[in-house]
Order: sequence, then C-alpha cells, then structure tokens
Amino acid sequence: GNSVTQMEGPVTLSEEAFLTINCTYTATGYPSLFWYVQYPGEGLQLLLKATKADDKGSNKGFEATYRKETTSFHLEKGSVQVSDSAVYFCALVRTGNQFYFGTGTSLTVIP
Amino acid sequence: GAGVSQSPRYKVAKRGQDVALRCDPISGHVSLFWYQQALGQGPEFLTYFQNEAQLDKSGLPSDRFFAERPEGSVSTLKIQRTQQEDSAVYLCASSLATEKREQFFGPGTRLTVL
Repeated sequence: GNSVTQMEGPVTLSEEAFLTINCTYTATGYPSLFWYVQYPGEGLQLLLKATKADDKGSNKGFEATYRKETTSFHLEKGSVQVSDSAVYFCALVRTGNQFYFGTGTSLTVIP
Repeated sequence: GAGVSQSPRYKVAKRGQDVALRCDPISGHVSLFWYQQALGQGPEFLTYFQNEAQLDKSGLPSDRFFAERPEGSVSTLKIQRTQQEDSAVYLCASSLATEKREQFFGPGTRLTVL
C-alpha cells in the first residue's frame, strides 16, 4: 500500500542551525511528493512539492529532492529562524487525489 | 473568501449526539476532501467529492459518518451517535480537478466528544 514515514520529533534547534527532517515513502508507480507545514493555530499550508524523480522542490529557503532510488524526500533548510517553528508533514499522492500523510514532525527553533 | 473555511471551529458534543460540520471550499475548486486528524497524527483520508459526486468514501470509519455536497460547492460531514473515539480535528481541503494537484486546507473543526 501507500504510506509515508517521517522522522519522529519533537526537534529543537537554535536559530541559524541546519535542519533536516527525514521522510521516506512506500508507493507503487510514480507518486507526487509534498511537504506541508502547520503553524500554531493555522491550517496546513503547502510548503513545496516534487512531481517526478530527481525534481527538487524549494520554497522559503526549504528544499527537498525526490529520490526514487532511496524512496526519500528529506526536508532541509540551511539556517532556521524562530518563525519556522511549526509542525511539518510529508505526504504523497499516487493516482487520483487521495493524499497519504506522515505523522508530522514538530520543530521548535529557539533564539 | 480567499481560502477554505470551516465551521464551527470547535464543537463539543455529548456521546450519542449527532453533529454536522461545514466546509466552504475555494470558489471554482471542483474537488473536495475530508480528513480526520487525531492528536499527534497526520491527517487521514475520509472521503472525496468531485463536484457533487462522492467518488471515494473508503476512509469513512463507520456508517455513522456521512458526507454530502449536494450542489457541488459547500459540503457537510455528519457524524451520528458520536462516540469518544470520534474526537479529532476534521479537516476539509479543496483542489482543482487535475490529479495529484495541491490541496488547500481549511483551519479544521476540533470535535470533542464527552
């Protein structure tokens, strides 16, 4: 079946530290991959996406590369800010429109 | 409005009561989805509409859950005879019709069943 496995949190980093949140997936065929972010008290927002192997999605300094050989889509940012504190969800969609989400990784950035 | 809206934002129900949760999708979005998000978990798919047609309801946990979208716009998720295990955040999302497109999420309705 289709599933997403995310690195467990919570993650606490100092401002300007390097961030990696691991995400691996299981799916047949060629899914599209997404990272969504949920800020406190808000709904999920799309952060970035990639639709085929070797694509790199990027937004707001965050990046993730679709690696078919390792079935991974790890999220990275070179220098986190306090405003990046949120919960991050990795997700995939294969055929149709049904999304499969990971369990989420909570990030807290301290000044 | 510009985004997906949901109401109410919070709902407290006594066990056995019926509840109705409303979703207003982004204007022009053909596809509408409902998800259930338990505490500390990711959203889990419940059901999917394309216009007024419910194309997939495989995620509905029991026959107490019912969703409709009669005019292809606003949708209502109804839970009959609520149970404590129904306590969760219910998320609505909408998207353009094309497959694998980004979904835009509403803020959710937090349901607490006492």
